[in-house]
Amino acid sequence: AQSVTQLGSHVSVSEGALVLLRCNYSSSVPPYLFWYVQYPNQGLQLLLKYTTGATLVKGINGFEAEFKKSETSFHLTKPSAHMSDAAEYFCAVSDQGYQKVTFGTGTKLQVIP
Amino acid sequence: SAVISQKPSRDICQRGTSLTIQCQVDSQVTMMFWYRQQPGQSLTLIATANQGSEATYESGFVIDKFPISRPNLTFSTLTVSNMSPEDSSIYLCSVTRATDEQFFGPGTRLTVL
Repeated sequence: AQSVTQLGSHVSVSEGALVLLRCNYSSSVPPYLFWYVQYPNQGLQLLLKYTTGATLVKGINGFEAEFKKSETSFHLTKPSAHMSDAAEYFCAVSDQGYQKVTFGTGTKLQVIP
Repeated sequence: SAVISQKPSRDICQRGTSLTIQCQVDSQVTMMFWYRQQPGQSLTLIATANQGSEATYESGFVIDKFPISRPNLTFSTLTVSNMSPEDSSIYLCSVTRATDEQFFGPGTRLTVL
């Protein structure tokens, strides 16, 4: 069985500050891991994904995440927050490749001017 | 990538009625999924829409309540039957070619009075 835990349902950062959104997963096999972003009244957009290979993955809009097997974590970071980053972020895991994806409960990011 | 459209984008319905949501993709895809996102919550997989055969439902979801059709590789419908206020949610269609990540439609925002 697979599961995802996102720590912090709401995170606030100042504009220009580091963004860190935490995600821990559980999977019985090497997982595929994803971060999606959802802007208000819109569908989900893929930020980045980890499948195999390099454990540090870079995504769109300056975001990156590092797969740490020993910690079962896949935290999302961005060095400098921008107002346009305000959205809800979902971490997701799959033990069946790109199928049967399980989503975390989401973290709403607020960026303070 | 894939461009996905959903109809309707939103609707307000009366208790006891049914609503059919359409999902159209701009190219052939391997798999299509239907998710529910209840207010303030994460995404929950309802079912996998199988072309030419019955959909595969997740635990807690049944065909009588959420009948699904997928007549070809680019189109699927989800019907929410005998609606109650608890069915008020955003319903999202997603697709994958199995060799890439899931792409999501913009969602259908349903309110049941």
